[in-house]
Amino acid sequence: GAGVSQSPSNKVTEKGKDVELRCDPISGHTALYWYRQSLGQGLEFLIYFQGNSAPDKSGLPSDRFSAERTGGSVSTLTIQRTQQEDSAVYLCASSLEEDINNSPLHFGNGTRLTVT
Amino acid sequence: QKEVEQNSGPLSVPEGAIASLNCTYSDRGSQSFFWYRQYSGKSPELIMFIYSNGDKEDGRFTAQLNKASQYVSLLIRDSQPSDSATYLCAVDPTFISNFGNEKLTFGTGTRLTIIP
Repeated sequence: GAGVSQSPSNKVTEKGKDVELRCDPISGHTALYWYRQSLGQGLEFLIYFQGNSAPDKSGLPSDRFSAERTGGSVSTLTIQRTQQEDSAVYLCASSLEEDINNSPLHFGNGTRLTVT
Repeated sequence: QKEVEQNSGPLSVPEGAIASLNCTYSDRGSQSFFWYRQYSGKSPELIMFIYSNGDKEDGRFTAQLNKASQYVSLLIRDSQPSDSATYLCAVDPTFISNFGNEKLTFGTGTRLTIIP
């Protein structure tokens, strides 16, 4: 079956503009995660959804970042008033269950965001 | 101290030799440990996970866990050029049973190059 799908694959935007990144998880996966990977850095946790609710938003770097998930499926990560330090690869992952010990993460190919 | 530490490399290993990748973690209560492989420009994919002290073997890969010393390693036997990638160590900081609020903490990765 199809894996985790993210769009766009690449996004170049001007500083100060808003961007929306989309993630379509594997069908039936209830848990959805957003991570950010900057050059030379590990994956930085941003936010996690179980169904449509986000019990853990602790990783969002600032109030310019928000995310939602509708219908227990597609999720959108929105970055308002983008800054150059927001440039990174944004990775989405999904898992069948919330318990990662029983259901590992499946990652999408990411969206490479460049803020100029 | 970072929560999960890895030598960034690059680590160069001749084809056919054993590649040894190491990872240390700071949270002594961590229970679950994962190794992800990430090819350049691609998303991470799970290779192995380990929960118990000792060795776990899967084909050419062996994960080793030593909770007393707080390290986990990945051995790749008979290294192939296709093993050239960045290897990410990930740790579940605190084991929570089902329906907990788990998220992985990733290291920055070790870049492995297999030399033909």
